[in-house]
Amino acid sequence: TQLLEQSPQFLSIQEGENLTVYCNSSSVFSSLQWYRQEPGEGPVLLVTVVTGGEVKKLKRLTFQFGDARKDSSLHITAAQPGDTGLYLCAGARGGANNLFFGTGTRLTVIP
Amino acid sequence: ETGVTQTPRHLVMGMTNKKSLKCEQHLGHNAMYWYKQSAKKPLELMFVYNFKEQTENNSVPSRFSPECPNSSHLFLHLHTLQPEDSALYLCASSRDPGGNQPQHFGDGTRLSIL
Repeated sequence: TQLLEQSPQFLSIQEGENLTVYCNSSSVFSSLQWYRQEPGEGPVLLVTVVTGGEVKKLKRLTFQFGDARKDSSLHITAAQPGDTGLYLCAGARGGANNLFFGTGTRLTVIP
Repeated sequence: ETGVTQTPRHLVMGMTNKKSLKCEQHLGHNAMYWYKQSAKKPLELMFVYNFKEQTENNSVPSRFSPECPNSSHLFLHLHTLQPEDSALYLCASSRDPGGNQPQHFGDGTRLSIL
């Protein structure tokens, strides 16, 4: 059983469109991180959210942590081909040695 | 440049071969990780090391043998692998273990088992 489920699994959109990716769990996390992985590379951290209800913006990307700290979303405005990649959420739980990674959303932005 | 270097980038080996994957981090981190990434599965944690001591072994088969001689270097020794072991193997490091620290990943070793 996967602790963090991401949806959609695959997403293909035209340049300029908006999109939202979801990361859901029945478990509570002390913090949640979002990573992007481009082909041939390892995942790279985009943002960390810590407080329930927190919203963080990174240029055209908006990240939100759910009030109950069980879920998160990533909204991209006016997507560009450079946004193409695998988006991974990862949650931290107290006492655990590691992050729990989500199932991933593979985004393709078509020029 | 993420500060985490993995070699080789690609490796093709037969099922009876023995090979090793290497990971080096230049970030002064204390924790290092091995992950397996397959095409149809989420990122799977394999091993966690904290100050050279293994703190997590996520039910990994014994044909994968990790080694951490110091907090900057991590190896994954491979022997008698199976075709289903073909995957991207990612190394990561963080300042301390535990999920509240961001992880810095290498670009991975793409492993193909013939």
